[in-house]
Amino acid sequence: KQEVTQIPAALSVPEGENLVLNCSFTDSAIYNLQWFRQDPGKGLTSLLLIQSSQREQTSGRLNASLDKSSGRSTLYIAASQPGDSATYLCAVRPANAGGTSYGKLTFGQGTILTVHP
Amino acid sequence: DVKVTQSSRYLVKRTGEKVFLECVQDMDHENMFWYRQDPGLGLRLIYFSYDVKMKEKGDIPEGYSVSREKKERFSLILESASTNQTSMYLCASSGTGKGKGEQYFGPGTRLTVT
Repeated sequence: KQEVTQIPAALSVPEGENLVLNCSFTDSAIYNLQWFRQDPGKGLTSLLLIQSSQREQTSGRLNASLDKSSGRSTLYIAASQPGDSATYLCAVRPANAGGTSYGKLTFGQGTILTVHP
Repeated sequence: DVKVTQSSRYLVKRTGEKVFLECVQDMDHENMFWYRQDPGLGLRLIYFSYDVKMKEKGDIPEGYSVSREKKERFSLILESASTNQTSMYLCASSGTGKGKGEQYFGPGTRLTVT
């Protein structure tokens, strides 16, 4: 059974700092990996999607990498801002084995990020 | 932009009531999902659907049922609400095919059962 772990559980940094959030997964047979952001009391916002054949994806100040063989992904946030404060979740989608698991995600517990001015 | 909408942001129901949570997506996605999110337990999948009228149990289906009569709409039904179903409910959808598969979420429904 796929397990996804995110480290650290919480992180507090001063504004302007570059930071890295970590995600590890136990089964490397994945279709893709997705990073989300969640603000308190809100739904999840998709940040980046990395297909299993890709090594990284970038969007603005965000860069996500994927090392499928070692079961790891990182989310790099450059020049952090107070508006980046949120919970960040990673989720993996299993490779399609022909069954109806297609599309299901397994989520990590998230990293709570606080960026203080 | 993909849009996933949920019928209510906040809902308060009494124990024993039948509760309907509605989710609509506008991107012609094949897959739709219902999750609940609780502090310390994270996101847990209740049910999902990969086509009209098709449904599969997730990790915690007990006490819930679903309906998907049209491709764009996926309903979660609590047949007899109980206090342990107080939670944040999140709907999501995703497409299939090469290069697709990004999952999009709605804003969530905070359900309180008293």
